[in-house]
Amino acid sequence: GQQVMQIPQYQHVQEGEDFTTYCNSSTTLSNIQWYKQRPGGHPVFLIQLVKSGEVKKQKRLTFQFGEAKKNSSLHITATQTTDVGTYFCAILTGTASKLTFGTGTRLQVTL
Amino acid sequence: EAQVTQNPRYLITVTGKKLTVTCSQNMNHEYMSWYRQDPGLGLRQIYYSMNVEVTDKGDVPEGYKVSRKEKRNFPLILESPSPNQTSLYFCASSFWSSYNEQFFGPGTRLTVL
Repeated sequence: GQQVMQIPQYQHVQEGEDFTTYCNSSTTLSNIQWYKQRPGGHPVFLIQLVKSGEVKKQKRLTFQFGEAKKNSSLHITATQTTDVGTYFCAILTGTASKLTFGTGTRLQVTL
Repeated sequence: EAQVTQNPRYLITVTGKKLTVTCSQNMNHEYMSWYRQDPGLGLRQIYYSMNVEVTDKGDVPEGYKVSRKEKRNFPLILESPSPNQTSLYFCASSFWSSYNEQFFGPGTRLTVL
């Protein structure tokens, strides 16, 4: 079935550094969702991107959807320890009723 | 408080002993689904339901059953659990479909010996 590749698998940064995770698909996507999962917690919805070239911001988080709607990125400016967790992208697949998640990027932030 | 609840939160069982993990949401959501989470594999969808009495397979349905007799409940049934079903399970719901924001339950950690 349709898959989405997410990179990197893991990143360790010092507080204040920037962080970016990418999701790539071989096919055109209808939309893409982003979730954050804190250690020991459950995934929490962050945002959904629908339009080609769309850019959305949530405080220090910037989400982009590629012009061809085949890739997306999440960028965090000046990371904080509260950003620690795993970030997942998710795409609609199959009959558009299924949701397929990327393998996630685990972010570790140290002081 | 709007939420998705799952029970039990932790379960250790033995191979072949039937078990049910319950999931309930109080947001009047149409869409519900089950995921399993394994290290390095992310979240994989097991089953989903678009509405009462309507269920369909996700990416990893083998060894699982579901039912949707009421809108608020979506139990996950393992008729004969095996060790490869040891995992962290999440139930999720959304307003209408997978196109909408998914609200996840707290998770159920299952160990099958």
